[in-house]
Amino acid sequence: DTGVSQDPRHKITKRGQNVTFRCDPISEHNRLYWYRQTLGQGPEFLTYFQNEAQLEKSRLLSDRFSAERPKGSFSTLEIQRTEQGDSAMYLCASSLEGPETQYFGPGTRLLVL
Amino acid sequence: AQTVTQSQPEMSVQEAETVTLSCTYDTSESDYYLFWYKQPPSRQMILVIRQEAYKQQNATENRFSVNFQKAAKSFSLKISDSQLGDAAMYFCAYQGGSEKLVFGKGTKLTVNP
Repeated sequence: DTGVSQDPRHKITKRGQNVTFRCDPISEHNRLYWYRQTLGQGPEFLTYFQNEAQLEKSRLLSDRFSAERPKGSFSTLEIQRTEQGDSAMYLCASSLEGPETQYFGPGTRLLVL
Repeated sequence: AQTVTQSQPEMSVQEAETVTLSCTYDTSESDYYLFWYKQPPSRQMILVIRQEAYKQQNATENRFSVNFQKAAKSFSLKISDSQLGDAAMYFCAYQGGSEKLVFGKGTKLTVNP
């Protein structure tokens, strides 16, 4: 059984660099979500896809952030010109269409120095 | 906008005892779903229990049960016969017409042997 996977699990970068994270959802799930979790907080929604279409983006997602899901399978989240405030855990989740339970991956922990 | 409040940052329980975690939410929607997720230290978030708002019966999953009070907008989680493996952060989450999950800040549960 393959759950949601994310790569890398940890990323340390210098301020101003670009980073890209990958998420592979559960294979039959057509919905994919990105959340961000900072220390001591619950996850906050960033964006979600249904198949390859990006259907909703949070105001948290500044123009330095971009997400894609080109073939409706895996997704990438890119952060350009990283800032120290971008340091967080980036969580990916997937679900079937409809009000279905979202299943989370292990997250990518980003540290911007 | 919907909000979720978890008023207990930390809770502790003795092994084999029962503990209740509190959650309140604010919404003007009539159809929605509520969740409790568990996030063990350095491990991924997993679903504990789910409640559909249209169902009057409280959800149960083995040792985990909820007390869902729709009028009061309250959704507490009861863990019976607590085990050491129950130690984790517990997040209450809301999902309404938008597909995104809205999380509370979490409650850190410690289980004492």
